[in-house]
Amino acid sequence: DSGVTQTPKHLITATGQRVTLRCSPRSGDLSVYWYQQSLDQGLQFLIQYYNGEERAKGNILERFSAQQFPDLHSELNLSSLELGDSALYFCASSVIAGTRGEAFFGQGTRLTVV
Amino acid sequence: AQSVTQPDIHITVSEGASLELRCNYSYGATPYLFWYVQSPGQGLQLLLKYFSGDTLVQGIKGFEAEFKRSQSSFNLRKPSVHWSDAAEYFCAVGALTNTDKLIFGTGTRLQVFP
Repeated sequence: DSGVTQTPKHLITATGQRVTLRCSPRSGDLSVYWYQQSLDQGLQFLIQYYNGEERAKGNILERFSAQQFPDLHSELNLSSLELGDSALYFCASSVIAGTRGEAFFGQGTRLTVV
Repeated sequence: AQSVTQPDIHITVSEGASLELRCNYSYGATPYLFWYVQSPGQGLQLLLKYFSGDTLVQGIKGFEAEFKRSQSSFNLRKPSVHWSDAAEYFCAVGALTNTDKLIFGTGTRLQVFP
């Protein structure tokens, strides 16, 4: 158990809908990352937050957004969903920023868009 | 641009045999290198990391990896594979810039026969 909790584990929704994925980082970790794992794109970095502020952005679509709350949990919002958004979405956390990628991953949320 | 290549998509070994998973990276400076393992339905678990110093690093579960700058490689090894090692293995590099994102390879799926 990495200590990173993601909910829900599975999500099935229709095209055009909006969903919210939730992540609780390890206790004491200030940095949260979101990754998308799909068959065609592999593991792709989406976005990073550090202590409530956006720190880095990767291949995140405009239809997607995220935030980190004062209690350090994070949410990834996916809207106007398309079939191609079906993927496994991982959250990871680390103690501080500047760890050069060393992070602990949650078990992921599997999103299926039908 | 930074990139990670895992040339073997799928490897099959017998239990008790030795294992080497290949990883090559493209990077402009001394990289931060990682190996993660993903068991079916699970998140990513960090096996080991290389930041600097001794080029042979030891990880969890009996794994080790050797950083070879001249070959731009960071191959993962295990002297004797157990059936429970069957999983997908990802090599990753920490980003060069002021982000902490990981750039992942496409993964190698390891199958272990009894």
